[in-house]
Amino acid sequence: SQQGEEDPQALSIQEGENATMNCSYKTSINNLQWYRQNSGRGLVHLILIRSNEREKHSGRLRVTLDTSKKSSSLLITASRAADTASYFCATGLLQGAQKLVFGQGTRLTINP
Amino acid sequence: DVKVTQSSRYLVKRTGEKVFLECVQDMDHENMFWYRQDPGLGLRLIYFSYDVKMKEKGDIPEGYSVSREKKERFSLILESASTNQTSMYLCATRTVSDTQYFGPGTRLTVL
Repeated sequence: SQQGEEDPQALSIQEGENATMNCSYKTSINNLQWYRQNSGRGLVHLILIRSNEREKHSGRLRVTLDTSKKSSSLLITASRAADTASYFCATGLLQGAQKLVFGQGTRLTINP
Repeated sequence: DVKVTQSSRYLVKRTGEKVFLECVQDMDHENMFWYRQDPGLGLRLIYFSYDVKMKEKGDIPEGYSVSREKKERFSLILESASTNQTSMYLCATRTVSDTQYFGPGTRLTVL
């Protein structure tokens, strides 16, 4: 079964609104990462948060991590049409930390 | 900038053919990965390599093999392609900070 599960599977909002995506996982992690994928393309790394961190910012992105609940959230503020993409969380496990385990993704649509 | 290139963006093959998917990186990264991506299943790890001539099975290695003769090149081989191997194939490398850089993907159709 998947280590990471994103919620919701799909999200549609108006341009300028904030978008929040959640990720839950099952086993202990070394780090958690978020990636973005435009339709039919490869994934692009957005942000990494380590297990001893609680919050991280990068531009309009804010990521939180709650290891006690085994969950993370990605917030995109002031969304733009260009943010339309699929977003994946990926967990780097404590053992075999070279590998990442990806969730199924959230499809985000920003309506102009 | 890290560059990860894949040999083809689109590929159409017939059942039973031997298929080679190639991935080349220009950043001297030791770890390289092959994933397949299917709707509703996300990315699943097929194989990865942590050094030249070293490989390790991922979650779904059946029907696939890999080759890493040079550090910059990691090949995925479908020994006898089947229709259930129709998928998007993504290659990635791992940086020292644990993030991964992905290639553009190869969309393989097996008829």
